[in-house]
Amino acid sequence: QSALTQPASVSGSPGQSITISCTGTSSDVGSYNLVSWYQQHPGKAPKLMIYEGSKRPSGVSNRFSGSKSGNTASLTISGLQAEDEADYYCCSYAGSSTEVFGGGTKLTVL
Amino acid sequence: EVQLVQSGAEVKKPGESLKISCKGSGYSFTSYWIGWVRQMPGKGLEWMGIIYPGDSDTRYSPSFQGQVTISADKSISTAYLQWSSLKASDTAMYYCARQLQTRCFDPWGQGTLVTVSS
Repeated sequence: QSALTQPASVSGSPGQSITISCTGTSSDVGSYNLVSWYQQHPGKAPKLMIYEGSKRPSGVSNRFSGSKSGNTASLTISGLQAEDEADYYCCSYAGSSTEVFGGGTKLTVL
Repeated sequence: EVQLVQSGAEVKKPGESLKISCKGSGYSFTSYWIGWVRQMPGKGLEWMGIIYPGDSDTRYSPSFQGQVTISADKSISTAYLQWSSLKASDTAMYYCARQLQTRCFDPWGQGTLVTVSS
C-alpha cells in the first residue's frame, strides 16, 4: 500500500488557477470514485475540501474543484487567494476498508 | 456541532506505554467509523487504521498492524490509540477523524503531539 504521488510543491500568483495532481494505481484511485482532498495550514488539523472526487462540503468555496481521469485525481483552485497557501493532501479508498494518503503538496501563493 | 476532542500532549521515554484518546460529541458516536492518522515532524499524513465504535470492528494499515492498538468505549463516546512500548520513531502528531460513508474524514480532532525521548 504505497502512498499516492503528489508534486512536492506548486505555486501561483493571486487570481491565477493551479492544479495539484494525485496519482495512484488501478487498486485505489483508478478503481473507486472515493478520492478526498484536505487542506492543512501550519499547526492546524486538516480540513476536508473535496470528497467523492468532485463534491464540495458545505462551506467550502466553489473556487475549489476536483476531478479524476484514470489513476490520477486532481484538485484545482481558481482565483488564488493568499489564504489558500497551505499543504494539500489527497486520500483514496484502497479496498478492504483501508485508505491511502498522498505525500502532500505545498502550495505557495506568490 | 460535531466535534472530536483529543487528549493533551504527551512526553514519554522509550519503552513506556501510552494511550491517547479522542472524544466525540454532537453526533451518534456508534454510527460512524473513527480513523487515526499519523503526521511525523515536517512530513505528510499516514493512515493508521479505523474502528467502528458500534461493535469495535477494527482495521489497520499493514504499516501499523502490530505496532499500535485501536480501541473504543462507546459508553463514553471515546476512541483510543495505544502503544505498549514506545520508540523514538513514534514521535509525531496523531489525529483522529470521523469517517463518513463517502470514506472521507470530517471533522478532525485538534491532534495529540506525542514526543518520545530519553
